[in-house]
Amino acid sequence: GNSVTQMEGPVTLSEEAFLTINCTYTATGYPSLFWYVQYPGEGLQLLLKATKADDKGSNKGFEATYRKETTSFHLEKGSVQVSDSAVYFCALSPSNSNSGYALNFGKGTSLLVTP
Amino acid sequence: DAGVIQSPRHEVTEMGQEVTLRCKPISGHNSLFWYRQTMMRGLELLIYFNNNVPIDDSGMPEDRFSAKMPNASFSTLKIQPSEPRDSAVYFCASRAQDAEQFFGPGTRLTVL
Repeated sequence: GNSVTQMEGPVTLSEEAFLTINCTYTATGYPSLFWYVQYPGEGLQLLLKATKADDKGSNKGFEATYRKETTSFHLEKGSVQVSDSAVYFCALSPSNSNSGYALNFGKGTSLLVTP
Repeated sequence: DAGVIQSPRHEVTEMGQEVTLRCKPISGHNSLFWYRQTMMRGLELLIYFNNNVPIDDSGMPEDRFSAKMPNASFSTLKIQPSEPRDSAVYFCASRAQDAEQFFGPGTRLTVL
């Protein structure tokens, strides 16, 4: 079946540090890949996405590249801010329409950025 | 647009009581999803609807859980009877065809 594995947290970084959160997936065909962010007390918000191999999703300084050869979609940011503190979820949507495009989520990685 | 609306935001109840969670999807979206989030299991898909029809309820934990979508603008998730292990944050999400899912703010359920 489809699954997403992301690195365990929590991750604690100082402001302006470089961020990488690893995500790998298992799926048949060509899924779409997503990063969602959840701020405290809120629902999930789409951060970025990529729908085919070698696509790069980017938003708010975050980037992730769809790597089919390594089945990965690692999230990166060159310089984190305190306001980036949140929980980050990697997710995939299967490529076949029978699934209804329901998302398979990783367990989430908590990020804390300190001043 | 108000986004996905969920009510209540917080619910505290006693074991054995019936709990009903409500969701209003974004107007024009034709798919609706219910998720449950816990520390132990993360985010789990419970059920989803396409055009008001339940498509896959294999994620529903057991017969105590039921979900309905009587029209395109309203869905409920009911737990009867509730148990302490049902304590979690329940999210509703909706999407239009070939588009991203938008999540509601969630309902935090505590069963004592």
